[in-house]
Amino acid sequence: EVQLVESGGGLVQPGGSLRLSCAASGFTVSSYYMTWVRQAPGKGLEWVSVIYSGGSTYYADSVKGRFTISRHNSENTVNLQMNTLTAEDTAVYYCARGIGDSEKTLDYWGLGTPVSVSS
Amino acid sequence: DIQMTQSPSTLSASAGDRVTITCRASESVSSWLAWYQQKPGKAPKLLIYKASNLESGVPSRFSGSGSGTEFTLTISSLQPDDFATYYCQQYYTYWTFGQGTKVEIK
Repeated sequence: EVQLVESGGGLVQPGGSLRLSCAASGFTVSSYYMTWVRQAPGKGLEWVSVIYSGGSTYYADSVKGRFTISRHNSENTVNLQMNTLTAEDTAVYYCARGIGDSEKTLDYWGLGTPVSVSS
Repeated sequence: DIQMTQSPSTLSASAGDRVTITCRASESVSSWLAWYQQKPGKAPKLLIYKASNLESGVPSRFSGSGSGTEFTLTISSLQPDDFATYYCQQYYTYWTFGQGTKVEIK
């Protein structure tokens, strides 16, 4: 059974850092592209970052230069290092997987981990 | 960046109603369009991919159509479990979501 479990969220002060982790089971993260999508309180969904199976990474303009996505194949996890956080980064962060060279898009999502940036 | 606009933002309907949600892209996304259902406190659930393909396990009362810049999600007969928020998503260039359509009980 495919499962994604996010962790690492919490309360952080503006300018601070957090590292989110997404633990996958039932599939191998290195064979898929993995994304982070966030949802601010009461708002819609916003794509944040992707890491492809080949290792290429891309970011939304809103986080470029501040966030870094990485993958740890031996642990079957994907991480999101978030630096220089602002109140606008407050959201629930979801990880989701996608299949390359497929007609499908993000088909499995985790339950999310909340991040709150406040002093 | 490709912008996605859904209408309406809120839809009041009764069980058994036929419901249609529209999604418009700021430029052509071909058929690279998906629909998700999200309930409070839950992750989004994929319903439709490539504009009209039903995800495995999703009831056949859900259907999608369209291409280019205009897309629709139709629920043929609304069931109690369908009251939720629905998002369209383009995946032609990265991923962009519409602002959501909340389907509420009339």
